[in-house]
Amino acid sequence: DADVTQTPRNRITKTGKRIMLECSQTKGHDRMYWYRQDPGLGLQLIYYSFDVKDINKGEISDGYSVSRQAQAKFSLSLESAIPNQTALYFCATSDFGAGADTQYFGPGTRLTVL
Amino acid sequence: GESVGLHLPTLSVQEGDNSIINCAYSNSASDYFIWYKQESGKGPQFIIDIRSNMDKRQGQRVTVLLNKTVKHLSLQIAATQPGDSAVYFCAERRGSQGNLIFGKGTKLSVKP
Repeated sequence: DADVTQTPRNRITKTGKRIMLECSQTKGHDRMYWYRQDPGLGLQLIYYSFDVKDINKGEISDGYSVSRQAQAKFSLSLESAIPNQTALYFCATSDFGAGADTQYFGPGTRLTVL
Repeated sequence: GESVGLHLPTLSVQEGDNSIINCAYSNSASDYFIWYKQESGKGPQFIIDIRSNMDKRQGQRVTVLLNKTVKHLSLQIAATQPGDSAVYFCAERRGSQGNLIFGKGTKLSVKP
């Protein structure tokens, strides 16, 4: 979905390096999310933000941090990357209207930690 | 434990046939369910959703059925096409402020 963009799309890095993944959206949604996807597994929630001043840990937040710089921007950082953080990372947004919470995903970032 | 899972990890169907992808959930408090389609190299794409006060919802060529008695969700795709080949995920939301919990996915392969 072009309304949610992620940079970079692919990244190879070494153990111990600091990495930042960026997400931008033009959907005007308040809520933003970061997920991790490993082969053969579903999506696991890392962090989420319901507005600029709100940051919440998901189910697998250890080793990650986030920053919500603006309504449209939500970045994910790996302070010291390790090989088991090799995965696909997806950003998503949602607009909590009418009691629903449909999330719209970006194209993903493939991260490899050597 | 609480989980969202799938009965079949892979499904192979003939082009033109109908496909049924199943999903089991275990939390009776879940009030909203979504099906996503993920093609290779892409992010999950919303297909259809259903609230817990409904048992059926139809879209274009897709139907979602919800059976709260047995905590079962299914996605039916009519006249399956090669472009339907993808991994399909179900997700549940546990309460109005809850986040989505995703199942592991079912890979649908469409044979020409």
